[in-house]
Amino acid sequence: DIQMTQSPSSVSASVGDSVTITCRASQDIGSWLAWFQQKSGRAPKLLIYGSSGLQSGVPSRFSGSGSGTDFTLTISSLQPEDFATYYCQQADSFPITFGQGTRLEI
Amino acid sequence: QLQLQESGPGLVKPSETLSLTCTVSGGSIGSSSYYWGWIRQPPGKGLEWIGSIYYSASTYYNPSLKSRVTISVDTSMNQFSLKLTSVTAADTAVYYCARQFPKVLTARYHFDYWGQGALVTVSS
Repeated sequence: DIQMTQSPSSVSASVGDSVTITCRASQDIGSWLAWFQQKSGRAPKLLIYGSSGLQSGVPSRFSGSGSGTDFTLTISSLQPEDFATYYCQQADSFPITFGQGTRLEI
Repeated sequence: QLQLQESGPGLVKPSETLSLTCTVSGGSIGSSSYYWGWIRQPPGKGLEWIGSIYYSASTYYNPSLKSRVTISVDTSMNQFSLKLTSVTAADTAVYYCARQFPKVLTARYHFDYWGQGALVTVSS
């Protein structure tokens, strides 16, 4: 199975800041990585697919990059509604695996 | 707008079988080339993929759960279902159903539409 490791596990930031979250795969997954945002008590919401594709309706302050084994999610100009937990998902092959999550706190 | 809704018992006894159904509205399971998946999240923990079914009924399971999991699809009811046998307290979680993108030139295998989730507690 492909293991996904996110860092940091938690990060503190302020409104207006820019934040970068990293996800590393245990083997080459090409560009097949997705990012999700999850707020407490809610289902995950797709932000980014194919490493850098912005899902429809997602604000442009969210951006993704990377290929192979190293990927990043950057949120620029943080808004109050962005404070949540973020997960990466390898989308290269079955079995599907997720990172352990990064909690973004005020 | 595609919508997914999980349904099933919220309480299951240890050693029994957990059964959940996901009803899809706003789109047809049988006429699309998507996968349909189940993901769970124990309280306070991360996401774990359980398995997925292709509209043609091919199935893919998490190796750690494979011996206990069955996912099936009922295109006439526009539903797909999860059965997890021999449950223990470790299976207590919020269970999500989701649509999974097919393998195409520019994308593959991400989950784009999710149900709201169903909490299933395993307890006697």
